[in-house]
Amino acid sequence: QVQLVESGGGVVQPGGSLRLSCAASGFTFSSSGMHWVRQAPGKGLEWVASIRYDGSNEYYADSVKGRFTISRDNSKNTLYLQMNSLRVEDTAVYYCAKERPGFDYWGQGTLVTVSS
Amino acid sequence: AIQMTQSPSSLSASVGDRVTITCRASQGIRNDLGWYQQKPGKAPKLLIYSASSLQSGVPSRFSGSGYGTDFTLTISSLQPEDFSIYYCLQDYSYPYTFGQGTKLEIK
Repeated sequence: QVQLVESGGGVVQPGGSLRLSCAASGFTFSSSGMHWVRQAPGKGLEWVASIRYDGSNEYYADSVKGRFTISRDNSKNTLYLQMNSLRVEDTAVYYCAKERPGFDYWGQGTLVTVSS
Repeated sequence: AIQMTQSPSSLSASVGDRVTITCRASQGIRNDLGWYQQKPGKAPKLLIYSASSLQSGVPSRFSGSGYGTDFTLTISSLQPEDFSIYYCLQDYSYPYTFGQGTKLEIK
């Protein structure tokens, strides 16, 4: 069965960095576009970034452009989100999701807290 | 960026009711729209993709319609487990954008 498991969340100070990982199994990872979506506490969903199945193109929300980098390692079936220059407003649960069309499978999420 | 305007923001209804949630795009998005259900503390779940296609395993009381700028999610007969938050998402062009969400509560 399809599984997406995020890791790497935690508490970081403003200006700091974190790298999130999303380990995928149960489907052909190298054939699927992948996405990161976040949800601030008590707020709605916000699309963050996407990457094509082969890593050839990346797309970012304006709110994270220049600070976050999405990448993937198809040999390890793993998606990444490198987050630099973190801000208090980046505090959220971060989900990875698989593209079908539609985001048909989601991970359980990992919490990132940016606080001094 | 394409703006997605979802309405209503909240809705009270009873078990057995028929309810409709709408999303309006600020420009045409063909049928590149999905509907998601989210329960507290859980990841969103895909209900409908490509505006009207029912995701595998989703009950048939859920249906979607629309093309271009106006879309609807209909639940034909509310069940207790349907009281959740619902979001639309346009995946027509980047940056992808979600609607603000509709909280469906028990009357």
